[in-house]
Amino acid sequence: GAVVSQHPSRVICKSGTSVKIECRSLDFQATTMFWYRQFPKQSLMLMATSNEGSKATYEQGVEKDKFLINHASLTLSTLTVTSAHPEDSSFYICSAAGTASSSQAFFGQGTRLTVV
Amino acid sequence: LAKTTQPISMDSYEGQEVNITCSHNNIATNDYITWYQQFPSQGPRFIIQGYKTKVTNEVASLFIPADRKSSTLSLPRVSLSDTAVYYCLVGDGQAGTALIFGKGTTLSVSS
Repeated sequence: GAVVSQHPSRVICKSGTSVKIECRSLDFQATTMFWYRQFPKQSLMLMATSNEGSKATYEQGVEKDKFLINHASLTLSTLTVTSAHPEDSSFYICSAAGTASSSQAFFGQGTRLTVV
Repeated sequence: LAKTTQPISMDSYEGQEVNITCSHNNIATNDYITWYQQFPSQGPRFIIQGYKTKVTNEVASLFIPADRKSSTLSLPRVSLSDTAVYYCLVGDGQAGTALIFGKGTTLSVSS
């Protein structure tokens, strides 16, 4: 199956700093990528949808100025958590869908962010 | 809002067959039913997908009745490594459509 690679797998940062998470589709072109966050013992919550070459669409309650998403190419989307705070500590997961009608989404391994 | 309802948790023993049922009363004509498995601190992993009747692959079977308002994931002879959260999702499969996750079912397999 298709592979989506997410990096880093875990990161610890200090409050007030920014952290960038990369999501790459390794063997297909992803016109659309999705970013989720997941708190302990909870389900995945959709944060935003990014389309290659255009601005991301954020879900209600997600601050677009805090969670910057860039989808500059068909194989790479990045999520930057700006001015991170401890409450931003979470598990972030990306998902990618291909150019053709794909009935299956592919997920990255996830990134564990801890803000201290 | 998630379009599916599943049991919050299930317990089983090694070697048993486990059936997890999902309700999706408002499933649309174009929607597929997809099941994912998630281990702690990992991204969801695709298990199986179907539209109607029965689908089987090397790890699971998916049973979908004619009205498609529910589906059942069947895991034959589970092992300890099948302990995970299982999510049932419905969606039209279009590349630009996000998958909305419900609460999932936490399956615990004991020896």
